[in-house]
Amino acid sequence: NAGVMQNPRHLVRRRGQEARLRCSPMKGHSHVYWYRQLPEEGLKFMVYLQKENIIDESGMPKERFSAEFPKEGPSILRIQQVVRGDSAAYFCASSPITDQETQYFGPGTRLLVL
Amino acid sequence: DQQVKQNSPSLSVQEGRISILNCDYTNSMFDYFLWYKKYPAEGPTFLISISSIKDKNEDGRFTVFLNKSAKHLSLHIVPSQPGDSAVYFCAAGIAGNQFYFGTGTSLTVIP
Repeated sequence: NAGVMQNPRHLVRRRGQEARLRCSPMKGHSHVYWYRQLPEEGLKFMVYLQKENIIDESGMPKERFSAEFPKEGPSILRIQQVVRGDSAAYFCASSPITDQETQYFGPGTRLLVL
Repeated sequence: DQQVKQNSPSLSVQEGRISILNCDYTNSMFDYFLWYKKYPAEGPTFLISISSIKDKNEDGRFTVFLNKSAKHLSLHIVPSQPGDSAVYFCAAGIAGNQFYFGTGTSLTVIP
């Protein structure tokens, strides 16, 4: 059973470009969470999604950031018009419906904005 | 506004001894707590959890203690092994809602 997959593992963008981060949850998991880790900081919750639904987006910046988890395919975290402050590691986690509290993390995508 | 705090950024322990990692939280409504372990360039890995109805949960060498009145939890690793060297994050929240993570404690187990 493959774990949570994230791609790309590393992403370099110039200021003003768009970044698209993908997350495939573990098989059978219907809940996806996105976190951001800035250098020297802990994991900050961004958004919690189920298939085709955003459950909690209280941690998402109000502008430029969006997330989706379509019926088919991976969850996407999209950052428009990236700025240098967006440089961070972005982790995705998934959990099964039977144990929502235990989250299984992917390896992360390291975004560098030049 | 840091709802979960890990005040020790680093800890060094001799192999075979006990490692104690501490975590404090501010919200008395939190009812579920987890510890994760993270190696460089990898995602966090779930270690152990505890709900607020218990004050102790044990899994092999790992034991988590919860003191609800003090809003404090700790992770004990005994005996510590060099492979335990990693960053440990605690997380707390209300079951079914978002979880808040601490900033992590980097544990080094010295052979």
